[in-house]
Amino acid sequence: ETGVTQTPRHLVMGMTNKKSLKCEQHLGHNAMYWYKQSAKKPLELMFVYSLEERVENNSVPSRFSPECPNSSHLFLHLHTLQPEDSALYLCASSQDWVTPREQFFGPGTRLTVL
Amino acid sequence: QKEVEQNSGPLSVPEGAIASLNCTYSDRGSQSFFWYRQYSGKSPELIMFIYSNGDKEDGRFTAQLNKASQYVSLLIRDSQPSDSATYLCAVRTDSWGKFQFGAGTQVVVTP
Repeated sequence: ETGVTQTPRHLVMGMTNKKSLKCEQHLGHNAMYWYKQSAKKPLELMFVYSLEERVENNSVPSRFSPECPNSSHLFLHLHTLQPEDSALYLCASSQDWVTPREQFFGPGTRLTVL
Repeated sequence: QKEVEQNSGPLSVPEGAIASLNCTYSDRGSQSFFWYRQYSGKSPELIMFIYSNGDKEDGRFTAQLNKASQYVSLLIRDSQPSDSATYLCAVRTDSWGKFQFGAGTQVVVTP
């Protein structure tokens, strides 16, 4: 595997379900990000981790819970989501957080909340 | 006011012509500017980035910054059908490197 991978690629869940999104980067980067992309809207930064510590939390509802067990893995735990949470969730990584040059994106997880 | 704004398009460009995309930003302290290309159903991929000290050319792509007017542009010369995609502008708005994205401009290159 190379670059940034995400699983699952597609997820359909009910509002009472609990699920997790997984991201893994094989680039040796120190910073990882979760973004939400909704149709016709800008990418919304949700969380940033640098060296496994959260450095940014953009007022994201508590039904989204991130976890970064090490610098290569990032999870987004989901519970009691709402239909408006349906979107493409993108994971990205960069060499570091303080002076990032480029973010490499994973393929995304297309989430549908019924 | 949105921090990063782009015309949503679609911008229709004949094959071989120049596509010109603009992105305006609100924070005068912005230091670096990024252009990403996103094909339908795919994730964004970086085309090029520039810092606040100058323009940049890379192959058929040129990024230009106008700090006084607070906009950055992307020119695509000799447009090809494979350039048909949504182009996202991203601006690094503060010293912590937080990226702010625009909603993207859809470009359609017609043969």
